[in-house]
Amino acid sequence: DAGVIQSPRHEVTEMGQEVTLRCKPISGHNSLFWYRQTMMRGLELLIYFNNNVPIDDSGMPEDRFSAKMPNASFSTLKIQPSEPRDSAVYFCASSLRDGYTFGSGTRLTVV
Amino acid sequence: GDSVTQMEGPVTLSEEAFLTINCTYTATGYPSLFWYVQYPGEGLQLLLKATKADDKGSNKGFEATYRKETTSFHLEKGSVQVSDSAVYFCALSDDKIIFGKGTRLHILP
Repeated sequence: DAGVIQSPRHEVTEMGQEVTLRCKPISGHNSLFWYRQTMMRGLELLIYFNNNVPIDDSGMPEDRFSAKMPNASFSTLKIQPSEPRDSAVYFCASSLRDGYTFGSGTRLTVV
Repeated sequence: GDSVTQMEGPVTLSEEAFLTINCTYTATGYPSLFWYVQYPGEGLQLLLKATKADDKGSNKGFEATYRKETTSFHLEKGSVQVSDSAVYFCALSDDKIIFGKGTRLHILP
């Protein structure tokens, strides 16, 4: 298995632009998680899905953030409009029961 | 809500020293407990886990024991190597996984 695949690895965008981060979970995993990592706040859970249904989005910082999981093999995290304070590494993880596997992350820089 | 507290870093040790990174948790249920490791520029990798009280997780010379009475899951290694330099995260899982803030470990040759 190729593991959890995230794209792009790096994204540099200008403030105000829309940013879309993508994640392909491991086949057969039924839960998917989006995390944000910064030096100041560490790892924050933004949202997670179970069987493609959003279960808890209480970590999504504000309405500018949205996430979708249209099918079991794909999820997106969208920021519109982006702001410099959104600069961080965004990780996707998938799991089946207690086995969590993380992607390599997307490093987002908003200038 | 559930939470994880781990010792702040950075922790700097010489090669072959003994390592302990403390981790305590607060949970309403009976979570599984994990240690993850993050090497520079990479995602998190599962290091070890324990699913119930008194279980010991172990991997690559690291070990941690699930202590329900002290709500702890301290990470230990008897003899660290330079290649162990990384950030270590303690975590718990009930319906979702919650991480501590991470402890950066530097091993000097």
